[in-house]
Amino acid sequence: NAGVTQTPKFQVLKTGQSMTLQCAQDMNHEYMSWYRQDPGMGLRLIHYSVGAGITDQGEVPNGYNVSRSTTEDFPLRLLSAAPSQTSVYFCASSPGQGITGELFFGEGSRLTVL
Amino acid sequence: AQSVAQPEDQVNVAEGNPLTVKCTYSVSGNPYLFWYVQYPNRGLQFLLKYITGDNLVKGSYGFEAEFNKSQTSFHLKKPSALVSDSALYFCAVREFGDMRFGAGTRLTVKP
Repeated sequence: NAGVTQTPKFQVLKTGQSMTLQCAQDMNHEYMSWYRQDPGMGLRLIHYSVGAGITDQGEVPNGYNVSRSTTEDFPLRLLSAAPSQTSVYFCASSPGQGITGELFFGEGSRLTVL
Repeated sequence: AQSVAQPEDQVNVAEGNPLTVKCTYSVSGNPYLFWYVQYPNRGLQFLLKYITGDNLVKGSYGFEAEFNKSQTSFHLKKPSALVSDSALYFCAVREFGDMRFGAGTRLTVKP
């Protein structure tokens, strides 16, 4: 039962470096999303996708890119890392494109930008 | 845009006592409301949801939540708290496809 798998679990970057956080799900879910979690701020939505080839911005999209070429994968790209992007990142998925399904979360990726 | 508020950063209860974690919501249409729990260094786990129907929703681990449309609230409850219930709890609302979360409430259950 893999569910939602995120890699890497931990990453340290220098300011200006780029990297990709990987997210894969094996539940054939159409909906996938990326959140960041910061103390006292809960989870904030970065980007989401309702199916392959379709992505949209969430609350805090600046500095991040996504693409959805397959149903299974939804990578999050940091183009030029900044200290403000130090956070814990969660990928989540849910079945269908509807709005009544609960999200299934990965275990998180902890990113530190120096 | 839809939003939820969790007015308490921290809730402390004694083991065996009832617990309540509060949540209020704001939506323009029908609310689809969720509760999640997060244990240290883990992802969020789904507890329960309200879509339609009975205002009292039962979920995992003995938790339940009461939907109140007039007060725009969706409070999480449990009749008898356990030490193992200590965790971070998030309320969430889903209206237009994306799900928005509250800031979270840290529940501590003391023996």
